[in-house]
Parts: sequence; structure tokens; C-alpha cells
Amino acid sequence: DVKVTQSSRYLVKRTGEKVFLECVQDMDHENMFWYRQDPGLGLRLIYFSYDVKMKEKGDIPEGYSVSREKKERFSLILESASTNQTSMYLCASSRTGMSPLHFGNGTRLTVT
Amino acid sequence: QKEVEQNSGPLSVPEGAIASLNCTYSDRGSQSFFWYRQYSGKSPELIMFIYSNGDKEDGRFTAQLNKASQYVSLLIRDSQPSDSATYLCAVNSGGGGNKLTFGTGTQLKVEL
Repeated sequence: DVKVTQSSRYLVKRTGEKVFLECVQDMDHENMFWYRQDPGLGLRLIYFSYDVKMKEKGDIPEGYSVSREKKERFSLILESASTNQTSMYLCASSRTGMSPLHFGNGTRLTVT
Repeated sequence: QKEVEQNSGPLSVPEGAIASLNCTYSDRGSQSFFWYRQYSGKSPELIMFIYSNGDKEDGRFTAQLNKASQYVSLLIRDSQPSDSATYLCAVNSGGGGNKLTFGTGTQLKVEL
């Protein structure tokens, strides 16, 4: 069974802090994704990666960056957290092609 | 902008009835289609995926795809209270990275 693990379930940070969200998958998947989910807006893609050291912008990349130094790990970085980045963050992974996404448990981030 | 549209609901059905959830998409080049179930406070979990026109059945669930009408649906037979959740439709338009676009979800309530 695919396991996608996000390092924190809940996180509270202050405005201006640099925030790291970590995600690890154990199925040797090529593709990894970061989404955020907000009421009424659904899941929106922030960044994705289809290979080590490769990254592509999603629909809402502003204010975020990512790092994929190893195949199993994909990190989301908020360079300077702002209150409008308070959200549920979901990491996912998939094999190449058109295979389904498998999600982690999510990190609920609150920026005060 | 590639869009995936769902009625937000709530859709209320009595226990034992058939629940019908609908989704339309804008990109005619879309190649794969997914239904995810999301309980409140939890991450999405895959229910069904379908790639070809027609019906695909898995237990109490049936996914239906009509590419000509750009329409995909999910039927849940013998609905149970445990089916009460938000159902997300997701569409993969192909290209690199297996990028999915999600609808905002339909809330289903199965009443005793």
C-alpha cells in the first residue's frame, strides 16, 4: 500500500517566518505534488515535480518554492509566511502516466 | 483555464437509495478521470478511476464517462450513512507530470 507521509499534522507560524513542509513517499513514485485546499476553492496545485531536482509551477506558485533532492522527498517552502497562506496543505504522489494520486494526511497551517 | 465543475450540494439521499454525482470538464483533450472521497478533516482517498467511454463498476460504485459530452458521473448504489462525505472529481489532461485539475466537490448526505 502506498504511504505518503507529511511531517506535521498541525503547524502554527508567525507572519514573516520561513516555513518548511516535508513530504515523503515510500513507493518509488516519479511524480510528487503540493496542493492547498480552502473552503469553496477546492484543491489548487502549487508545484509539482516529475523527477529529482525537477519542478514545475502549478496554478498558484506565488509565495512558495519547492525542493526535491531525493526521489522520495518533496519539500514545500514558504519563504515569508503570510496570513493568506493559512490553509490545509496536501502532498501527493503518483507513478508516471495517468495513474491516480495518493495523498498524505495533510498539514493544517495557521499563520498568525 | 481548464475547468472541472461540480454541484456543491449538499445532495441528500435516503439510506439504501442510489446517489448520483455529476462532473463536467472543459478540456476536450482530457484523458483520465478520477473520483475521490473526502471526509471532513481528512485527505482525499481514491474511489474510482476511468479512462474509456462507458461504465466501470467496482462494488457499489459505478463511474460513467461520456467524452463527447465532457461529462463524468459517479453512482453509489445502496447508499450508507458512511458514504456521507464530499466527493471530488479530478481530470488529467495529459502532458507531462500527470497534473490533475480538481472540482470543488459535491457534499453527499445519506440520511437514515
